[in-house]
Amino acid sequence: EVQLVESGGGLVQPGGSLRLSCEASGFMFSTYWMSWVRQAPGKGLEWVANIKQDGSGTNYVDSVKGRFTISRDNAKKSLFLQMNSLRAEDTAVYHCASTDNWYDIGAFDLWGQGTMVTVSS
Amino acid sequence: DIQMTQSPSSVSASVGDRVTITCRASQGISSCLAWYQQKPGRAPKLLIYRASSLQSGVPSRFSGSESGTDFTLTISSLQPEDFATYYCQQCKSFPLTFGGGTKLEIK
Repeated sequence: EVQLVESGGGLVQPGGSLRLSCEASGFMFSTYWMSWVRQAPGKGLEWVANIKQDGSGTNYVDSVKGRFTISRDNAKKSLFLQMNSLRAEDTAVYHCASTDNWYDIGAFDLWGQGTMVTVSS
Repeated sequence: DIQMTQSPSSVSASVGDRVTITCRASQGISSCLAWYQQKPGRAPKLLIYRASSLQSGVPSRFSGSESGTDFTLTISSLQPEDFATYYCQQCKSFPLTFGGGTKLEIK
């Protein structure tokens, strides 16, 4: 079955760190352009970061630059998001999202169900 | 950053109705727009990409169009399973940005 499964979410204090993982199965992960997209409770979708197939290029939304790092391990079919200096406004469900055809469709056709991150004291 | 302004924020409609949702980009995005459907507690689902291309497996009652910086998602005849929240997303430049969402509710 083609799927993405996130893990690593939880409750963390402001200023703390968390590392999210997204494990892929059922498809050739190394050919997929990967992103993290988050959704605060009751709010809309916000793109966070992306990484190219070979890890050579990354982009981030301004609000997380310098605090979050996206990475991938193609051998382990996994995507990661290292989150440091967490703030209350980072509280959200974090989805990994992907496509193997970014330059043609410019959209995400495969999503995980998400992992909840709560930043609170 | 490219701002995506989506309207309306909510709409009530009945089964069988025709519904349109609009997204306006703050600058030209050259058809680089996608539409998603999201149901509560679920991941978003891609409906339309490149403004008007129907994603495989999506019913043909969904369609997308564009006019300049205005983009429209149309559902031609609402079905019970279509009641959800819809988002647009531009892919022209980073940061990728989404519209604020349109909640489609049963009248």
